[in-house]
Amino acid sequence: KQEVTQIPAALSVPEGENLVLNCSFTDSAIYNLQWFRQDPGKGLTSLLLIQSSQREQTSGRLNASLDKSSGRSTLYIAASQPGDSATYLCAVRSEDNAGNMLTFGGGTRLMVKP
Amino acid sequence: KAGVTQTPRYLIKTRGQQVTLSCSPISGHRSVSWYQQTPGQGLQFLFEYFSETQRNKGNFPGRFSGRQFSNSRSEMNVSTLELGDSALYLCASSWTAIGYGYTFGSGTRLTVV
Repeated sequence: KQEVTQIPAALSVPEGENLVLNCSFTDSAIYNLQWFRQDPGKGLTSLLLIQSSQREQTSGRLNASLDKSSGRSTLYIAASQPGDSATYLCAVRSEDNAGNMLTFGGGTRLMVKP
Repeated sequence: KAGVTQTPRYLIKTRGQQVTLSCSPISGHRSVSWYQQTPGQGLQFLFEYFSETQRNKGNFPGRFSGRQFSNSRSEMNVSTLELGDSALYLCASSWTAIGYGYTFGSGTRLTVV
């Protein structure tokens, strides 16, 4: 059974810092990994999707890497801003699923202080 | 382009009642999935529908059910509500059967009193 872990569970940084969020998964047989952002009480906003054949994806100040063999992904946020404060979730779709089931990590709650 | 629409946004029900939540996917998306989010358990998969057929089901009791219509709109139903069913219910839709990427709705906040 796939399990996804995110470390740290919470992070507080001053504005302008570069930071790294970690995601690990137990079964490396995945189709893809997706990073989401969730603001309090809201739905999920997709940030980056990495297919199993890819090593990284970039969007603006965000860069996500994937090391499938070691079961790890990182989300790098450059020059953090107060508006980046949210919970960040990673989710994997595993190859043993017939359909579109995602397994989510517990999330990292990020606070960027002005 | 309209996103994934979930209705209602908020709902308060009494224990023992039943509830129906609705999800309209992005136009052209045929796969619809449902997730339950609680502070204690995080995000947990409920079920997934593709072309009106349930393809996957999570580890939830039979009180949780769903269906998908020919226009890809989906509903989920919870019967005999319990206090523990209080949660944010999220719907996600995707273009292809393989699930290239997900788009989530804003969710329905269900409170059971």
